[in-house]
Order: sequence, then C-alpha cells, then structure tokens
Amino acid sequence: EAQVTQNPRYLITVTGKKLTVTCSQNMNHEYMSWYRQDPGLGLRQIYYSMNVEVTDKGDVPEGYKVSRKEKRNFPLILESPSPNQTSLYFCASTLRDSRRNEQFFGPGTRLTVL
Amino acid sequence: GQNIDQPTEMTATEGAIVQINCTYQTSGFNGLFWYQQHAGEAPTFLSYNVLDGLEEKGRFSSFLSRSKGYSYLLLKELQMKDSASYLCAVRRSNAGKSTFGDGTTLTVKP
Repeated sequence: EAQVTQNPRYLITVTGKKLTVTCSQNMNHEYMSWYRQDPGLGLRQIYYSMNVEVTDKGDVPEGYKVSRKEKRNFPLILESPSPNQTSLYFCASTLRDSRRNEQFFGPGTRLTVL
Repeated sequence: GQNIDQPTEMTATEGAIVQINCTYQTSGFNGLFWYQQHAGEAPTFLSYNVLDGLEEKGRFSSFLSRSKGYSYLLLKELQMKDSASYLCAVRRSNAGKSTFGDGTTLTVKP
C-alpha cells in the first residue's frame, strides 16, 4: 500500500531532551516536507526537501533540523525541545513529475513537551 | 510576510452549495491547492490550480485568478460528511516551498 508513515504517533517528553520523529514513504517521491499544525491554525512548513541531500527552510524552521540521506526517509530532529514546540506534526511527500503536485500526508505525530 | 486569508467558519445546509474564498499575497507562486481535513486526521488533496480558470471534479470545483490573488472552492450537493476544515495553500516554488491558510471550518447541517 502506497503510504507515508510517521513514528512515533504520540510522544510526551521533557524540555531539552533530544528527539527524532521519523518519516518514511514508499512511493519513490522526490519531494518531502515537514509541517506543524497548532489549534485553529493551518499547516506551517518547517523544512522541505527536493531530493537526497537537498533540504531548505520553510516558514518556521527555528528549533528543528532535518536530514535526507535516503530518498524514502526524512527525519525531523528536535535537538533541545521546548514547550512551544508542542504541536501536531505532519510529514508529506510529492512526486516531482506529477501534474497535480499532490502532497500525500502521513498520519501525524502529536508531540507534547513538558 | 506571506499572507493567505480565508474565512474561519462557514455553515451550510445539506444539499446546498457553498463557496469558500481564499485570497493570497505570497512571494512566489507555483500553484494553489485545496485540501480537506477532518478533525484529528491528515489533510487530503482536493484540487490544484496553476492556470486561471475553473477546474471541476465531481461535486467539487476550484477557481483561480492569479491577477487578483484569488481562489475559491465550490462544493455542490453538500453532504454531512463534507463537514471538515478546508485548507487553501500556495506552492511558492518549484522546489515545494508552501504556505497554508489557517483553514475554513465548514459545518453542514441537516
């Protein structure tokens, strides 16, 4: 089944404890993105990647890192999480040559930083 | 900064037609998306407009005017399951840089 998977789905952690949220897609998509969504707000793009080893900042990159060592994986790293990073996080992927440029979203990761 | 405006909430009656507007001012434009998001779920793709005009797909249509920085999503024959949040998003670069609006929560009443 074509899909984007994220792990973990739920995470409660404490301030300053490094964490990684994994994202993997099995559709051979070139483009991948990370978003956060806060109550009453739409999605805000954190980082995006055009392909392996090519990443760039979205609108809210502060406090986050990403890497793209393999085409299928795009992990989101919080080196020193803070309570203002409590949010719902979505990973998404897109096929580069798609006419519709449709983003396929993962199921989301709900993160709470205490 | 990037600005995408859409109404916060709308209410409509089952079987009716509703139009959700979106205006945008962004640095860069590579296309405009509409996504549907049910509470607690991931967004799902509805439409993508890159040229001016109307794109129709079943009960859903989307319109774009690039010169006016304006789009709308038209939902016909509303069903209860259409109650959801509708997100307008601009793809700002060919590399995938994107900005979303805050979403419009649509409630369909019997």
